[in-house]
Amino acid sequence: GAVVSQHPSRVICKSGTSVKIECRSLDFQATTMFWYRQFPKQSLMLMATSNEGSKATYEQGVEKDKFLINHASLTLSTLTVTSAHPEDSSFYICSAEGGQISWYRPAEAFFGQGTRLTVV
Amino acid sequence: DAKTTQPNSMESNEEEPVHLPCNHSTISGTDYIHWYRQLPSQGPEYVIHGLTSNVNNRMASLAIAEDRKSSTLILHRATLRDAAVYYCIRGDRDNYGQNFVFGPGTRLSVLP
Repeated sequence: GAVVSQHPSRVICKSGTSVKIECRSLDFQATTMFWYRQFPKQSLMLMATSNEGSKATYEQGVEKDKFLINHASLTLSTLTVTSAHPEDSSFYICSAEGGQISWYRPAEAFFGQGTRLTVV
Repeated sequence: DAKTTQPNSMESNEEEPVHLPCNHSTISGTDYIHWYRQLPSQGPEYVIHGLTSNVNNRMASLAIAEDRKSSTLILHRATLRDAAVYYCIRGDRDNYGQNFVFGPGTRLSVLP
């Protein structure tokens, strides 16, 4: 199956600094990528939809100036957590949409392995 | 709103079959049923998906009710590595670039 790679898998940063997380589709082109956040013992919550060549669409309650998303190519989307605070500590997961194979085959979502962010 | 409901947790013995139910009573005609699972500290992993007919792959089987308002993921022989949170998700076939809305899922424990 298709592969989506996230980097880094773990990062610890100091409060007030910025952290960039990369999401790459390794063997297919992804015009659309999604960024999720997952707190301990909770489910994934969609943060934003990243579209290649255009601005990201953010979910209600997600600060677009704090979580900067750039989707500069068909294989790479980045999420930058700016001025990180301890409450931003979470598991961040991206997914890339694999494209519709045919009318009867839905677009599949392929997920990265996640990035554990700890802000100290 | 995940629009699916699943039991919060289930338990199984190793090497026994497991049936994980999912209700999606408001499913539309173009919605597929997707199952993903998430192991600890990992991203979700695709398991199986279907529309109307039952589906089988190397990981699992998916049994879809005739009225499509419910489905069951079947693991034929549970192993310890199958312990994970299983998510049942509706996805619109016609919505290119869809995102998946995750509910709480079912936490499956496998006992040796």
